[in-house]
Amino acid sequence: EAGVAQSPRYKIIEKRQSVAFWCNPISGHATLYWYQQILGQGPKLLIQFQNNGVVDDSQLPKDRFSAERLKGVDSTLKIQPAKLEDSAVYLCASSRSGSSYNEQFFGPGTRLTVL
Amino acid sequence: SQQGEEDPQALSIQEGENATMNCSYKTSINNLQWYRQNSGRGLVHLILIRSNEREKHSGRLRVTLDTSKKSSSLLITASRAADTASYFCATDYSGGYQKVTFGTGTKLQVIP
Repeated sequence: EAGVAQSPRYKIIEKRQSVAFWCNPISGHATLYWYQQILGQGPKLLIQFQNNGVVDDSQLPKDRFSAERLKGVDSTLKIQPAKLEDSAVYLCASSRSGSSYNEQFFGPGTRLTVL
Repeated sequence: SQQGEEDPQALSIQEGENATMNCSYKTSINNLQWYRQNSGRGLVHLILIRSNEREKHSGRLRVTLDTSKKSSSLLITASRAADTASYFCATDYSGGYQKVTFGTGTKLQVIP
């Protein structure tokens, strides 16, 4: 079974530029999550999709971050414009359903550096 | 803010020793999970314990849960160098829609 795929693995941009990350979840997983992990901290949920609908985006900075999962499969997360404090690893995860009893499977992450 | 707080923040032990890390949380939960993160395999699920369970085992892992104290512990027995990683507890808030929140993590170093 193929795991969660993410690209790119690394990205360096200057502040005020825009950037996009892509995630392809495990086949058949209805729920997709985007997390932000700042160095030395635990992952923080940015947005959770159930199929192509948003379940939770309460911690997504909507003035600069956007995410979509149009066909209920792969997803993109965009930052525009980026700030220095956006430097972090962005993790995508998927699970069979949105139940908290389901194990989440994580991708390798995209390490973003904003200069 | 994050639900769980792990303790200690960092732990260094010799190979073969046991490692214990703790997680405290603030609100009632349905379940608590432990995840491991290292540079090689990324973030990986280890074990889930339900709120009505007190102890659970998986291989060299032993997890306890005390809902009255809102705390959990993860014990790794006979540690190996490959256990070097950060360990996170993840809790869900039983009053919500089952949103999972990760703690701050314990960084474990196992010295060969």
